[in-house]
Amino acid sequence: EDKVVQSPLSLVVHEGDTVTLNCSYEVTNFRSLLWYKQEKKAPTFLFMLTSSGIEKKSGRLSSILDKKELFSILNITATQTGDSAVYLCAVGGAQKLVFGQGTRLTINP
Amino acid sequence: DGGITQSPKYLFRKEGQNVTLSCEQNLNHDAMYWYRQDPGQGLRLIYYSQIVNDFQKGDIAEGYSVSREKKESFPLTVTSAQKNPTAFYLCASRDRLTYEQYFGPGTRLTVT
Repeated sequence: EDKVVQSPLSLVVHEGDTVTLNCSYEVTNFRSLLWYKQEKKAPTFLFMLTSSGIEKKSGRLSSILDKKELFSILNITATQTGDSAVYLCAVGGAQKLVFGQGTRLTINP
Repeated sequence: DGGITQSPKYLFRKEGQNVTLSCEQNLNHDAMYWYRQDPGQGLRLIYYSQIVNDFQKGDIAEGYSVSREKKESFPLTVTSAQKNPTAFYLCASRDRLTYEQYFGPGTRLTVT
């Protein structure tokens, strides 16, 4: 059975801290790993990773995939209160995505 | 203005009633998906469709039904057989050349 596990499930930090969110997976026919940010409603796309060892970066957010060890990390540096959200990791086969439970990140001022 | 629309945003129903949630996309995407999200949980796949007139069960299809008569539309019916229908329902679509799924704004269903 395909499985995606995120850790930690919940994280509370102060503004300005750096955080690392983890995603490990066991999925047959791996094609891609995606990170989404969900604030109140629909998830919004952050990154898609398909190749191992290549970092994707967007501003203060970055992510990397390790296909040998079957995990990915999402880093957020210099966190801001607007980064507070649930971060979802999803792993895709040919037809569908399997989502992890999400990490609820809270940034306190 | 391309995107995915879901309606209504909030829906209230009495137990024992069937209810249909709407999902429409004008992105010309072949694949469409329905997910359910419960508080503090990730997304669980209910049904998905790769092409018109074809669909497959996801991980939690019991108590739900779908149709895909048009490329743009993928309505989800929550039947009275679904034991715990109160949840947040998200529809998504995907271009066949990428793996990224685009999400609609969601429908929050409350059944009492």
